[in-house]
Amino acid sequence: TQLLEQSPQFLSIQEGENLTVYCNSSSVFSSLQWYRQEPGEGPVLLVTVVTGGEVKKLKRLTFQFGDARKDSSLHITAAQPGDTGLYLCAIPLYGGATNKLIFGTGTLLAVQP
Amino acid sequence: DTEVTQTPKHLVMGMTNKKSLKCEQHMGHRAMYWYKQKAKKPPELMFVYSYEKLSINESVPSRFSPECPNSSLLNLHLHALQPEDSALYLCASSQEQSLPYEQYFGPGTRLTVT
Repeated sequence: TQLLEQSPQFLSIQEGENLTVYCNSSSVFSSLQWYRQEPGEGPVLLVTVVTGGEVKKLKRLTFQFGDARKDSSLHITAAQPGDTGLYLCAIPLYGGATNKLIFGTGTLLAVQP
Repeated sequence: DTEVTQTPKHLVMGMTNKKSLKCEQHMGHRAMYWYKQKAKKPPELMFVYSYEKLSINESVPSRFSPECPNSSLLNLHLHALQPEDSALYLCASSQEQSLPYEQYFGPGTRLTVT
């Protein structure tokens, strides 16, 4: 059973379109992170959301943490080819000295010029 | 300096070879990680080092052997790999005691086993 499910799995859109990526689980999280991984590179942290209902904006990207802290969404306005990449949500699992990140299933976005 | 560096960028090795992947960070982070990533999939955690001690081994085959010589360096020694081990190997670091546990990734080593 996957702890974090992302949808859609794949998305191919034209430049200028809007899109939303979802990250869902049945568990409650203390916080959630979004990463973007461009082709040939490692993931880069975009944002961390901590409070239920929180909304954060990063230029054309809007991140929301669900009120119950079980889900999150990433909305991109007027997508550009530079937004192409693998989008990953992730949650920290705390276990004393064995903390680690659990990644979602990923959303692969292709923005066509 | 918020950079994690990895060498080499690309590596092709035979199944009988021995090679090593290297990772370095100078952010003062005390937790370092190795991940394996297949194309279009999320990274899979392999090992975690916390304060230079191995704290997590996610049941990784013994042909992968991690080493943390000091708080800035992380190595992954490879021996007798299989073609299915071909993947992108990512190194990451984080401030172990700093919530919410954000990780900084290197660019990865693209490994091909022939």
